[in-house]
Amino acid sequence: AQSVTQLDSQVPVFEEAPVELRCNYSSSVSVYLFWYVQYPNQGLQLLLKYLSGSTLVKGINGFEAEFNKSQTSFHLRKPSVHISDTAEYFCAVSETNSGYALNFGKGTSLLVTP
Amino acid sequence: KAGVTQTPRYLIKTRGQQVTLSCSPISGHRSVSWYQQTPGQGLQFLFEYFSETQRNKGNFPGRFSGRQFSNSRSEMNVSTLELGDSALYLCASSLSAGGHEQYFGPGTRLTVT
Repeated sequence: AQSVTQLDSQVPVFEEAPVELRCNYSSSVSVYLFWYVQYPNQGLQLLLKYLSGSTLVKGINGFEAEFNKSQTSFHLRKPSVHISDTAEYFCAVSETNSGYALNFGKGTSLLVTP
Repeated sequence: KAGVTQTPRYLIKTRGQQVTLSCSPISGHRSVSWYQQTPGQGLQFLFEYFSETQRNKGNFPGRFSGRQFSNSRSEMNVSTLELGDSALYLCASSLSAGGHEQYFGPGTRLTVT
């Protein structure tokens, strides 16, 4: 069975600093990988996805992620964060064995301060 | 294009009651999935409906059920509510079954007292 681990529950960072949110997964089959963002009292918004092809994926709001198959990781990065990036970030995995249902990590709370 | 809508946004129920939540997908989307979000368990998949048929189900008790109508709108029902059912229930729609681009609604916040 697959599992998703987000290694940091909270990440505080200063405005305009770079940030990396870490995500590792375990699966015995090929997976599809996603990052979602959730702002307070809202649903989830897709930031980016990896389905196949280039391992470096660019998403919305300046975020990017790199799929590393050997390390089973899909870390999210942004070179310079804004106050408005403060939110909860979820890494998710889907695979054939689970009918492509999204399996989410526990989330990382990103807090950007001036 | 209108996004995924969920009604009601907030709901308070008493233990033992039942509740029905509604989800209207993006126009043209035929797949609807439901997720439960709680502080303790995080986001968990409930089920997915496509063309009025349940095609996938998560690990939840039979008290949780759903259906989909011919216009792709979906309802989720929880019977005999328990305190632990208090959660944010999120609906997501996609173009096809098992679609990789799922669009989420704002959720229904259910509080069971």
